[in-house]
Amino acid sequence: GQQVMQIPQYQHVQEGEDFTTYCNSSTTLSNIQWYKQRPGGHPVFLIQLVKSGEVKKQKRLTFQFGEAKKNSSLHITATQTTDVGTYFCAGQRGATNKLIFGTGTLLAVQP
Amino acid sequence: KAGVTQTPRYLIKTRGQQVTLSCSPISGHRSVSWYQQTPGQGLQFLFEYFSETQRNKGNFPGRFSGRQFSNSRSEMNVSTLELGDSALYLCASSRGAPEQFFGPGTRLTVL
Repeated sequence: GQQVMQIPQYQHVQEGEDFTTYCNSSTTLSNIQWYKQRPGGHPVFLIQLVKSGEVKKQKRLTFQFGEAKKNSSLHITATQTTDVGTYFCAGQRGATNKLIFGTGTLLAVQP
Repeated sequence: KAGVTQTPRYLIKTRGQQVTLSCSPISGHRSVSWYQQTPGQGLQFLFEYFSETQRNKGNFPGRFSGRQFSNSRSEMNVSTLELGDSALYLCASSRGAPEQFFGPGTRLTVL
């Protein structure tokens, strides 16, 4: 079946350092979304990427969608303690609300 | 605008019992999806309902079922509970846009 893997599983950084998580799908996606889940919380939508090679920025966050629409990345510049949480990518195929979530990357930020 | 609400928030059951979880979507949202989140399997799609019809289904056994009412509220039912059904069950609503709004979840513990 369709699988979406993320690396690393866990990343511990000092506040101010950069962070990147990578997402790889076994199949081509129609779009990819990113969610953040704080400890004890629920996933919160961050962004959606649709076009091949698309790059979007949200303040310190940069999202990329690969040319083959099978991989994506999230880069955070100068992490802050408020960035702590698990970042999930989630892919969709076709016109459906079914999200195939990645395995997630837990980010810990030490002040 | 009120967010997605789920009841109950916590539930303890024993093996063999059945359970019903409830989800009230954001007003105006007609799509409701359910996900199971466990440490081992991550976030897995259960099913999606739109206008009282199941539109998508994940790879879960028939013990997992759901329904949606005319007011878009949704319920999911798990029969003959197993220890492995212990998880956080998340409901997400959408108006058809890519963004899905997640509720706080129901933490189910099966003893």
